[in-house]
Amino acid sequence: GAGVSQSPSNKVTEKGKDVELRCDPISGHTALYWYRQSLGQGLEFLIYFQGNSAPDKSGLPSDRFSAERTGGSVSTLTIQRTQQEDSAVYLCASSSAPRGGRYFGPGTRLTVT
Amino acid sequence: QQQVKQSPQSLIVQKGGISIINCAYENTAFDYFPWYQQFPGKGPALLIAIRPDVSEKKEGRFTISFNKSAKQFSLHIMDSQPGDSATYFCAASSGNQFYFGTGTSLTVIP
Repeated sequence: GAGVSQSPSNKVTEKGKDVELRCDPISGHTALYWYRQSLGQGLEFLIYFQGNSAPDKSGLPSDRFSAERTGGSVSTLTIQRTQQEDSAVYLCASSSAPRGGRYFGPGTRLTVT
Repeated sequence: QQQVKQSPQSLIVQKGGISIINCAYENTAFDYFPWYQQFPGKGPALLIAIRPDVSEKKEGRFTISFNKSAKQFSLHIMDSQPGDSATYFCAASSGNQFYFGTGTSLTVIP
């Protein structure tokens, strides 16, 4: 079956521009997560959705970062006024339940120039 | 505070050898311990997972050993192959809380 998909796969943007990253979770998965992975680093948790609500936003690094999820499915991560330190791979994962295994998408590689 | 401590940071193994990656945790409420495999340019993929009611789980060449009293678990890759070269992450979870280790970069030399 279809896995988690993310778009775009690569995004190059100029410092100060806004970007939107999209995640399509596995159909039927109610839980959705965003992570950030800098080059050669581990996984940094950003935000968790259960359905359309976000009970845990504790990982968002600043108010320039926001995310929404509509229809209990697609999620968009928005970064406003991008900075060079935002350059990273942004990974989305979904799960059938909070306690279950998390299934990751291929990620979006964001480069801020 | 690092909830899950993973070691080593990097590992080089000869083809056919055994790769061993270790993780330790403190929170006894954790009840799900997965391992993820990540190839360059790809997202992490769930490899194998264990719950604390068993001490070992084996899937093909991959085995998780779990020591509840020591609060440690490890991934063993038997007969390691160059295609196993990747970064491996352990994780520990309880309810919605999900913590990843810092990753181990495995290189299997032909």
